[in-house]
Amino acid sequence: NAGVTQTPKFRILKIGQSMTLQCAQDMNHNYMYWYRQDPGMGLKLIYYSVGAGITDKGEVPNGYNVSRSTTEDFPLRLELAAPSQTSVYFCASTASRDTGELFFGEGSRLTVL
Amino acid sequence: QKEVEQDPGPLSVPEGAIVSLNCTYSNSAFQYFMWYRQYSRKGPELLMYTYSSGNKEDGRFTAQVDKSSKYISLFIRDSQPSDSATYLCAMLSLSGTYKYIFGTGTRLKVLA
Repeated sequence: NAGVTQTPKFRILKIGQSMTLQCAQDMNHNYMYWYRQDPGMGLKLIYYSVGAGITDKGEVPNGYNVSRSTTEDFPLRLELAAPSQTSVYFCASTASRDTGELFFGEGSRLTVL
Repeated sequence: QKEVEQDPGPLSVPEGAIVSLNCTYSNSAFQYFMWYRQYSRKGPELLMYTYSSGNKEDGRFTAQVDKSSKYISLFIRDSQPSDSATYLCAMLSLSGTYKYIFGTGTRLKVLA
């Protein structure tokens, strides 16, 4: 079972470059999330989506963009990368809040130099 | 004030000890309370889930929620080296926004 798949696992960017972190889930979940995790800072919500075509900002959306054209995919776009965006990025999904279970991907480790 | 506060640790205990992990929160709209476990270089996994106040037990793990004090706890009995991980509390309100808010995580090390 694939679950939530994130690519790439590792990436090094130069300041000012752009890139897209890919996230795909095969569980037919409507709700998808992007978090970033910095050392000692827990998980901060960047963007989330409650279904195809619907996205909304989380706690730290600046410098990022998302789109949700299908139920399965929820890519995160970084425009003009900055050192402050060095972090580990996690994508997650859930079918319903009634179970409380967010299914997470393995993470994408991004370094901006 | 952060919505969710959690002691980052690290917390080191001997094998077999009882571990207590805690979070406080400020948003009275939170109704769903969760504990996730995260091993090094992995994504978090759901450990316990509680709706509203009360206790919930699952094997060696017990989750407690005290909404009057805005305080939640996770107890681990007979701790094992395999319990060594970061434990994150998470909360969700009934407002329908589906925003899961996480604590900073507590690093736990159980020494054999």
